[in-house]
Amino acid sequence: QVQLVESGGGLVKPGGSLRLSCAASGFSFSDYYMSWIRQAPGKGLEWISYISSSGDTIYHADSVKGRFTISRDNAKNSLFLQMNSLRAEDTAVYYCATHPKGTYWGQGALVSVS
Amino acid sequence: DIVMTQSPDSLAMSLGERATINCKSSQSVLYSSNNKNYLAWYQQKPGQPPKLLIYWASARESGVPDRFSGSGSGTDFTLTISGLQAEDVAVYYCQQYYSNPLTFGGGTKVEIK
Repeated sequence: QVQLVESGGGLVKPGGSLRLSCAASGFSFSDYYMSWIRQAPGKGLEWISYISSSGDTIYHADSVKGRFTISRDNAKNSLFLQMNSLRAEDTAVYYCATHPKGTYWGQGALVSVS
Repeated sequence: DIVMTQSPDSLAMSLGERATINCKSSQSVLYSSNNKNYLAWYQQKPGQPPKLLIYWASARESGVPDRFSGSGSGTDFTLTISGLQAEDVAVYYCQQYYSNPLTFGGGTKVEIK
């Protein structure tokens, strides 16, 4: 069955860095655009980045532009989010999902910046 | 950016009643060349990721019960739950995928009265 499994979350100090990974299985990952979407504790959903199926088109929301970088490795069915210069307001559960229609979602990875 | 505004913020209905959630976009999400509304609805239960219910404003995702239906066009959309069940307690979000950045409504919490 379809699985998206995020990893790499954790507690980091302001100004620090983390790299999230999302391992995909059960579907043709290389055919899909992919996104990262986050949800601050008790808050709504915020889409932050997407990458095209080949990786040649990338878009980041203004809130993370210049600090976060999305990438993928189709040979390894994996999606990544490099997060630098982290701020307290980046504290959230980070989900990977198919783009633009979120047919498949991971369970999420918690990132705490404190 | 397209701003998505949902109403109400929350609603409490009795089992079996009809629940209606509204979503308004700050500009049209109807793409004239294919006559499709780039609007989706998601259901999120506590501790779980969102689940896609409706896409193209009214197309039901595979496996979603037919008591969930979506309607509307342009800037005004509705998610209807016909015959509320206990397992429908959740937060519901609309999302536009017409233009970047993709944006979500603030969510509507549905509870049982």
